[in-house]
Amino acid sequence: DTEVTQTPKHLVMGMTNKKSLKCEQHMGHRAMYWYKQKAKKPPELMFVYSYEKLSINESVPSRFSPECPNSSLLNLHLHALQPEDSALYLCASSRNFGDGWKFFGPGTRLTVL
Amino acid sequence: GQQLNQSPQSMFIQEGEDVSMNCTSSSIFNTWLWYKQDPGEGPVLLIALYKAGELTSNGRLTAQFGITRKDSFLNISASIPSDVGIYFCAGQGAGNQFYFGTGTSLTVIP
Repeated sequence: DTEVTQTPKHLVMGMTNKKSLKCEQHMGHRAMYWYKQKAKKPPELMFVYSYEKLSINESVPSRFSPECPNSSLLNLHLHALQPEDSALYLCASSRNFGDGWKFFGPGTRLTVL
Repeated sequence: GQQLNQSPQSMFIQEGEDVSMNCTSSSIFNTWLWYKQDPGEGPVLLIALYKAGELTSNGRLTAQFGITRKDSFLNISASIPSDVGIYFCAGQGAGNQFYFGTGTSLTVIP
């Protein structure tokens, strides 16, 4: 299994809603990542988990809250988002943190109204 | 963070033509990677390069790790309609630093 899965595929939410994005991989990878991508731009790193511990937080606003319940799962909890947070949210994994060979999921297209 | 510059920004080519694109950096990288992203999907890794001067092929795709370690090149031969998408280079440096390029959008006209 060389797949990273993400749910939901699409999400529309209001600015007062609370929602969560989910990511799963069963490749035994010990590093997992959240990226944000705007149209026609490269992905921007948000968070890195290594061995289920938060290693990097790229100064992301607190309305985004990551969680890594176990080595296969990664969540991104969303609360009080702004319309400018609308984007494609990508999850990725790699064998170890520092391994450039990253596998990406299909992404969640988020729209904030 | 650092951004890698890709050239050209966009390309419109006829089916069957060859494609060349490159990626340059002001810093040295230890690994260069090339990804392709289809609309509404996540990036898919095409080729990974680990040594200066390395030339690696994946079907009709060939990529090279520049000898200065500050650039990389991707060539696609005999393009087909399904080659359409955005191609991103990425560089992995020391200290777990990983940067994406600005992207090259490819359109193939049948």
